[in-house]
Amino acid sequence: DIVMTQSPLSLPVTPGEPASISCRSSQSLLHSNGYTYLDWYLQKPGQSPQLLIYLASNRASGVPDRFSGSGSGTDFTLKISRVEAEDVGVYYCMQGVESPVFGGGTKVEIK
Amino acid sequence: QLQLQESGPGLVKPSETLSLTCIVSGGSINTNNNWGWIRQAPGKGLEWIGSIHNTGITYYNPSLKSRVTISIDTSRNQFSLKLTSVTAADTAVYYCARHGQWLGRSDFWGQGTLVTVSS
Repeated sequence: DIVMTQSPLSLPVTPGEPASISCRSSQSLLHSNGYTYLDWYLQKPGQSPQLLIYLASNRASGVPDRFSGSGSGTDFTLKISRVEAEDVGVYYCMQGVESPVFGGGTKVEIK
Repeated sequence: QLQLQESGPGLVKPSETLSLTCIVSGGSINTNNNWGWIRQAPGKGLEWIGSIHNTGITYYNPSLKSRVTISIDTSRNQFSLKLTSVTAADTAVYYCARHGQWLGRSDFWGQGTLVTVSS
């Protein structure tokens, strides 16, 4: 089974400053078809998760361009160029190259 | 706008079967998408349970496979989850979601429903 490891577990951020979350998989998420099956989700307090990034670097519809995803193989990063107060919540990465598995989550909160 | 809504009992007794339905509105379930169930135990992270394509092909989490059945009713625009032999460890908020053409890119989610397993 693929294991997804996120860091840090908690990330205090200052509005207007950048933020970065790491996600590592125990196996490559590159499929033989050339696609890399890695999503990023944000679960705001009291809400359902919402899709931010799919296939490692594609922003979902309606997601602000301050969010970006990068990486390949086993190492991935979600970056927020300038954090806003509405970005607080728990961020999850998820691999889909095999049976989907989520990372443990990174809690982003305002300092 | 596509909407998903989970429905089912909020309390299930140990050893019994948990049954939930996800009603899809604002669009057809009969598209080239997968439809899935994800759960979140209190204070914990997300766990994928399983998914189904509109053609009826199913995919299950290997750790739950022996207890899970997911079905789809395209005429009613809904899909369902059955989880047998439940224990307190199955207490969670259960979400339904629409995936893309693979088991990710989950772009529409239900609001979630809390299911408690207790006698």
